[in-house]
Amino acid sequence: EVQLVESGGGLVQPGESLRLSCVVSGFNLSSYWMHWVRQASGKGLVWVSRFNNDGGSSRYADSVKGRFTISRDNAKNTLFLQMRSLTAEDTAVYYCVRDRPYGANSGYFDNWGQGTLVTVSS
Amino acid sequence: SSELTQDPAVSVALGQTVRITCQGDNLRNYNANWYQQKPGQAPVVVIYGKNNRPSEIPDRFSGSSSGNTASLTITGAQAEDEADYYCNCNSRDTSVNPVIFGGGTKLTVL
Repeated sequence: EVQLVESGGGLVQPGESLRLSCVVSGFNLSSYWMHWVRQASGKGLVWVSRFNNDGGSSRYADSVKGRFTISRDNAKNTLFLQMRSLTAEDTAVYYCVRDRPYGANSGYFDNWGQGTLVTVSS
Repeated sequence: SSELTQDPAVSVALGQTVRITCQGDNLRNYNANWYQQKPGQAPVVVIYGKNNRPSEIPDRFSGSSSGNTASLTITGAQAEDEADYYCNCNSRDTSVNPVIFGGGTKLTVL
């Protein structure tokens, strides 16, 4: 059974840092592209970052570029999101998501974690 | 434009058919995926690649697209289909915006 379990969320003050973790089971992390997607309370889904498994390249939404870093430890089957210089606008539930490819250049999100809540407030 | 636009809310009578639409220029080059999200739960994919349905999703869910518009159709809506629905483009090439979500449509089953 595929499982993704996020942790590391919590309450932090503006300007502080936080690292989220996502431990996966039921599949090899190294075989899949992985993403972080966030959702503020009562709002829609917003893509945050992607980690490719072909060369280990990463992509970021403009809103987090330069502040967030995605990485992973394949041996520990764990995906990370290092978040720095947090602001109130980063307050959201953060989901770890598996990307499954289809066609020549597309994918879809076939498995989601339960999410971890990050609250940035003074 | 790299946005996907959805109607904020749609309603349907129990047992009737409803179409939820998603518009955006990206849909001319990439197929839409559709996710269902119920309160307090993580999203679940219901349609991917325009009209592919995971095995656990009922066949009353279907997808289609034309030009810059993708649609999710629920034929014979059930009470348990009441949820938020999000369209999504997820490109694996060098697109400027590799992943985009629509703003979501809240479906009410009357």
